[in-house]
Amino acid sequence: EAEVAQSPRYKITEKSQAVAFWCDPISGHATLYWYRQILGQGPELLVQFQDESVVDDSQLPKDRFSAERLKGVDSTLKIQPAELGDSAMYLCASSLTGSTEAFFGQGTRLTVV
Amino acid sequence: QKEVEQNSGPLSVPEGAIASLNCTYSDRGSQSFFWYRQYSGKSPELIMSIYSNGDKEDGRFTAQLNKASQYVSLLIRDSQPSDSATYLCAVDLDSSYKLIFGSGTRLLVRP
Repeated sequence: EAEVAQSPRYKITEKSQAVAFWCDPISGHATLYWYRQILGQGPELLVQFQDESVVDDSQLPKDRFSAERLKGVDSTLKIQPAELGDSAMYLCASSLTGSTEAFFGQGTRLTVV
Repeated sequence: QKEVEQNSGPLSVPEGAIASLNCTYSDRGSQSFFWYRQYSGKSPELIMSIYSNGDKEDGRFTAQLNKASQYVSLLIRDSQPSDSATYLCAVDLDSSYKLIFGSGTRLLVRP
């Protein structure tokens, strides 16, 4: 069954360190999303890609966060330096072009200590 | 005003009852609406999509959409304890292909 792959599943890092998350969307899905979900809240969109281009990164804290999807397939989200408030679940989702029917990966649970 | 609003709950219903979950959204131009189920510690799972006014049924789930009143709802018939989860409403606001989520409603189904 096709699914969105994410790694790592869990990450513990010290504040001020760098951390990176990886996502491989469902094959053929040109649209890729990164969301952040704080406990008790709904997912918040950080960045949206269409192929290798950023469509929306208006909610991405660009002083410390970066995202890339160089070949239009898999994607990396980086945080440098990590802060305590970055502790959250980072979710990757993908959809077909022209559809917002998005499917999520299992997520990466980040804890910053 | 939040763009997508849901009552946080918890909504508690007895096993076998109908659970009714509601969601309102801010933008009249929205065309695509989704319900996701999220178990504690897991990622959201898509369970229903709806694009036209009216009802859409899939097994025990019925999604209802009223664009004039800007609300979408999810009915779960014959609720089971395994339905206990947080239900997230998601809307493609302004048809921009950007999926915006509500904060979710926690559902508890009592055996």
